[in-house]
Amino acid sequence: DSGVTQTPKHLITATGQRVTLRCSPRSGDLSVYWYQQSLDQGLQFLIQYYNGEERAKGNILERFSAQQFPDLHSELNLSSLELGDSALYFCASSAGFTSRGGLETQYFGPGTRLLVL
Amino acid sequence: KNEVEQSPQNLTAQEGEFITINCSYSVGISALHWLQQHPGGGIVSLFMLSSGKKKHGRLIATINIQEKHSSLHITASHPRDSAVYICAVLYTGNQFYFGTGTSLTVIP
Repeated sequence: DSGVTQTPKHLITATGQRVTLRCSPRSGDLSVYWYQQSLDQGLQFLIQYYNGEERAKGNILERFSAQQFPDLHSELNLSSLELGDSALYFCASSAGFTSRGGLETQYFGPGTRLLVL
Repeated sequence: KNEVEQSPQNLTAQEGEFITINCSYSVGISALHWLQQHPGGGIVSLFMLSSGKKKHGRLIATINIQEKHSSLHITASHPRDSAVYICAVLYTGNQFYFGTGTSLTVIP
């Protein structure tokens, strides 16, 4: 158990809908990362937050947004969903001794499996 | 172009064999991570490297900054090592890029 929790574990929804994925980092970790893993694209980095502020942005679509709250949990909002958004969405956290999260070990949550029908 | 290439894509080994998985990248990086993804989908971070070599149990990771290449070695492989191993690099701007993964099967 990494200490990172994600809810829900599974989500089935329809095209055009909006969903929110939630991530609680390990206790004390300041950095949170979101990743998307699809069959055709593999793992892709979406976005990183450090202590409530956006620190790095990857291949995140404009229909997607994220935020990190004062209690350090994070939410990833996916809107106007398309079939191609079906994927496994992972959240990870790291201690945040440096805001450059890539220089720290990341702890991954179990993922949220999203199916868009 | 920020490419990350892994080889081989698939690997089958007999229990006890020494295994090497390779990762190459195209430009200078700040750090490189090796991840393990279990058949159930969970991801575990194995190593984070910016230079040199790290060892944890039967796993060894090395990186050669000049050659833009990293290797993950598994000594005395075991069926429980069967998983997908993924290389991830951190380029400037805090951007992560991932390799396509190496699927390892260790046969008893």
